[in-house]
Amino acid sequence: SQQGEEDPQALSIQEGENATMNCSYKTSINNLQWYRQNSGRGLVHLILIRSNEREKHSGRLRVTLDTSKKSSSLLITASRAADTASYFCATDRNDYKLSFGAGTTVTVRA
Amino acid sequence: ETGVTQSPTHLIKTRGQQVTLRCSSQSGHNTVSWYQQALGQGPQFIFQYYREEENGRGNFPPRFSGLQFPNYSSELNVNALELDDSALYLCASSLKFGAETQYFGPGTRLLVL
Repeated sequence: SQQGEEDPQALSIQEGENATMNCSYKTSINNLQWYRQNSGRGLVHLILIRSNEREKHSGRLRVTLDTSKKSSSLLITASRAADTASYFCATDRNDYKLSFGAGTTVTVRA
Repeated sequence: ETGVTQSPTHLIKTRGQQVTLRCSSQSGHNTVSWYQQALGQGPQFIFQYYREEENGRGNFPPRFSGLQFPNYSSELNVNALELDDSALYLCASSLKFGAETQYFGPGTRLLVL
């Protein structure tokens, strides 16, 4: 079974707009990570947020974590065509084995 | 590019056959994990190897087995293939056991007919 669930399943936005996707999970975690996957190939690590952190930034990415609600959000600002991909949240319950959600497919229209 | 390589990139097998997938970890990484990703789903953890020993296993039957070699390259073996084994198989390496960030290879797409 999958630990995380992303919402929405799919998202279509205009270039330059912001994209927000959410992740909910079920059990306590050590950290939560976001990955990007292009065209069904390998996953690229985007950002990691630890359970004692609430917000983290990396370039155009902003991640929040609310452990009381067991949820996280990923915001991509000023989207580009190259951001078109599937985005996955993955939780690490301190056993170094990532549990992934089903992902959000983001399409950025030119 | 993460430095993790996998071979082959694509593979077609028939039900009942056996398959071996290979992964070369990023230089210096001693931990490797394998994941199965069915179409439209997120990756599912199969198992993890650390210093040639299996270190945890997901909800996969024993016909899924693995090896890690002294140079930290790795193999995933699947016996008695079933149609539902059709998926993208991803390996991921990390610098050391307990390292939080995993580096994924491009995957091997397996089709079982």
